[in-house]
Amino acid sequence: DAGVIQSPRHEVTEMGQEVTLRCKPISGHNSLFWYRQTMMRGLELLIYFNNNVPIDDSGMPEDRFSAKMPNASFSTLKIQPSEPRDSAVYFCASSWAPGGGSPLHFGNGTRLTVT
Amino acid sequence: GQQLNQSPQSMFIQEGEDVSMNCTSSSIFNTWLWYKQDPGEGPVLLIALYKAGELTSNGRLTAQFGITRKDSFLNISASIPSDVGIYFCAGSNNDMRFGAGTRLTVKP
Repeated sequence: DAGVIQSPRHEVTEMGQEVTLRCKPISGHNSLFWYRQTMMRGLELLIYFNNNVPIDDSGMPEDRFSAKMPNASFSTLKIQPSEPRDSAVYFCASSWAPGGGSPLHFGNGTRLTVT
Repeated sequence: GQQLNQSPQSMFIQEGEDVSMNCTSSSIFNTWLWYKQDPGEGPVLLIALYKAGELTSNGRLTAQFGITRKDSFLNISASIPSDVGIYFCAGSNNDMRFGAGTRLTVKP
C-alpha cells in the first residue's frame, strides 16, 4: 500500500507566483481532503471531495485558492497568486467512505514557503 | 462552527509516567479519533471511536468516546521516548475537524 502521495515535498516561491500542489489518494478511497497546517491555526480543513465531487469548500480562504479532482486518483490545490501568508504545510488525506468518521490517511504534506 | 478544544497544549513528563489528554466540543460528533504527528510527517491514526461510551485500547493507549458525544480522552500508560510528538483529537460527522494538538515531550 503506497499511501497518500503528495508532491512536491517542499515548494519555495515568490509572492505573486502560481503554486500547484498535487495529491494521489490511496487506491479505492473515494473521499479526499485538503488541510492546511500552521502554528497559529493548527489543522484547517480547506475542502473535501466525495467521488471526485467537491462537497464542502467553505474552508478555502479566498478566491486565490482552487482545488480540482479530475479523476479518482488525482487532485490538485492551486494558489494564484500566492502571498507570504499562504506559507504553511498543506496536507492531503483520503478515506474509503464519504465522511461518517471513516479514518483519514494523510500524506506527508507539502511545505510551502512564499517569500 | 465545530470547534474542538484540546488540552493540555503541551506536556513534559518523565519516561514511565502516564499521560492523559482530552478534547471537548460544543457540537456532537458521530466519531472521535486520535492521531499522532511526528516531525515532517502527516498525522497517523492511533484510535478511532464510533460509539458513545466506547472505551478502546491499542497497546499502551486507551481512548474513550464521551457519553454526551461531545468529548473524548486519550491516555498513554508507561510513556517511552518514542511517544514524543503532537497528538490530535478529531471529531467527525461528514467531514473531520481537528483539535489544536497536545505536544508531548518525554524525558528519558
